[in-house]
Amino acid sequence: ETGVTQSPTHLIKTRGQQVTLRCSSQSGHNTVSWYQQALGQGPQFIFQYYREEENGRGNFPPRFSGLQFPNYSSELNVNALELDDSALYLCASSIGRAGGSYNEQFFGPGTRLTVL
Amino acid sequence: SQQGEEDPQALSIQEGENATMNCSYKTSINNLQWYRQNSGRGLVHLILIRSNEREKHSGRLRVTLDTSKKSSSLLITASRAADTASYFCAPQGGSEKLVFGKGTKLTVNP
Repeated sequence: ETGVTQSPTHLIKTRGQQVTLRCSSQSGHNTVSWYQQALGQGPQFIFQYYREEENGRGNFPPRFSGLQFPNYSSELNVNALELDDSALYLCASSIGRAGGSYNEQFFGPGTRLTVL
Repeated sequence: SQQGEEDPQALSIQEGENATMNCSYKTSINNLQWYRQNSGRGLVHLILIRSNEREKHSGRLRVTLDTSKKSSSLLITASRAADTASYFCAPQGGSEKLVFGKGTKLTVNP
């Protein structure tokens, strides 16, 4: 059984650029959540995907978007990058069900994004 | 939305001592989860305690939940240098998302 993986590990972009981060969920998991963690803060929920549909969104602007694929892997896309987008981006997979899931989430190691 | 607030913000102890950190939240929950994060890495799930449970153990970890006080505590017994990390609680209520506070930064000195 493989754990949650994320790519790339590190990324440097400049303001205004676009970025795509990738996440492979743990085997058997159908739900992926994305979090942004600024330095010294706790992770902040961006959105969650359950069976390829968005299943909840945090307080992030529309330039943060995502996808989930039939194999339950996921992408996070951020357009028009701003300096404040510099952070550790974490994805987490879990076993979800229709109507809600209240199980532990398994996190990947994160992608550290630096925006210059 | 549900958010846990960990207390204290920072804790420094000697190896072998016990470490206790607390979490408070505001609304009703289905469960409360504790996670550990080593510096700059992903979070590791430690324990999930459901709203109808009062205490749960896992190795050197003991978690209690008091739903009447809307609080939980995490006790790490016989701490080791490897326990140095940030610890987050995540109360989970009516939605699947986890809402994290700023965490407790634990330093275990050898």
